[in-house]
Amino acid sequence: AQKITQTQPGMFVQEKEAVTLDCTYDTSDPSYGLFWYKQPSSGEMIFLIYQGSYDQQNATEGRYSLNFQKARKSANLVISASQLGDSAMYFCAMSVNTGNQFYFGTGTSLTVIP
Amino acid sequence: DARVTQTPRDKVTEMGQEVTMRCQPILGHNTVFWYRQTMMQGLELLAYFRNRAPLDDSGMPKDRFSAEMPDATLATLKIQPSEPRDSAVYFCASALSDRPRMETQYFGPGTRLLVL
Repeated sequence: AQKITQTQPGMFVQEKEAVTLDCTYDTSDPSYGLFWYKQPSSGEMIFLIYQGSYDQQNATEGRYSLNFQKARKSANLVISASQLGDSAMYFCAMSVNTGNQFYFGTGTSLTVIP
Repeated sequence: DARVTQTPRDKVTEMGQEVTMRCQPILGHNTVFWYRQTMMQGLELLAYFRNRAPLDDSGMPKDRFSAEMPDATLATLKIQPSEPRDSAVYFCASALSDRPRMETQYFGPGTRLLVL
């Protein structure tokens, strides 16, 4: 069974607008972590944001925020005030069982339009 | 600025040759992961180590791939013999896993492998 689902293969957003990238996950373990990574065309994987399953508040890091809805098992990434440099692939990932299992989604390609 | 380093960055080789990729995790990190990324398969976890001990290598083709951590500052991934289907980008990532909560993995720049 797929553990991480990213249903949007490609997204477009106007510069300076906000965009939401969807991610749903599947686990029966009560302790897990959710991550978002950015992969620009240069190829490196850049960590953006982390949300723990027991965290009461949604994680935020600058222009990135994670909309964590535990009951719906979703962990959407919100990028505010999009910039041209945000154009990249974005991967949602989950770590389960104290990090002994780690799953990546298939990614969403984001294009920011000037 | 602590980061994961990988060498080589690019490797072109001929089928049948041995390929060795090296990774230096962030100092103090005790968990090291090897991933392979292709257009068709996306990101695949090949193997990972904690405190230098292999914990899971079920994602790795055992007949030709091997992964080791000779010391805490070096992880290696070896392919022998290499095949064209091994062409991919190989990422190393490291994390500090000494707390109950999940630890962020930090990725190296990757090794782009082309097997002709």
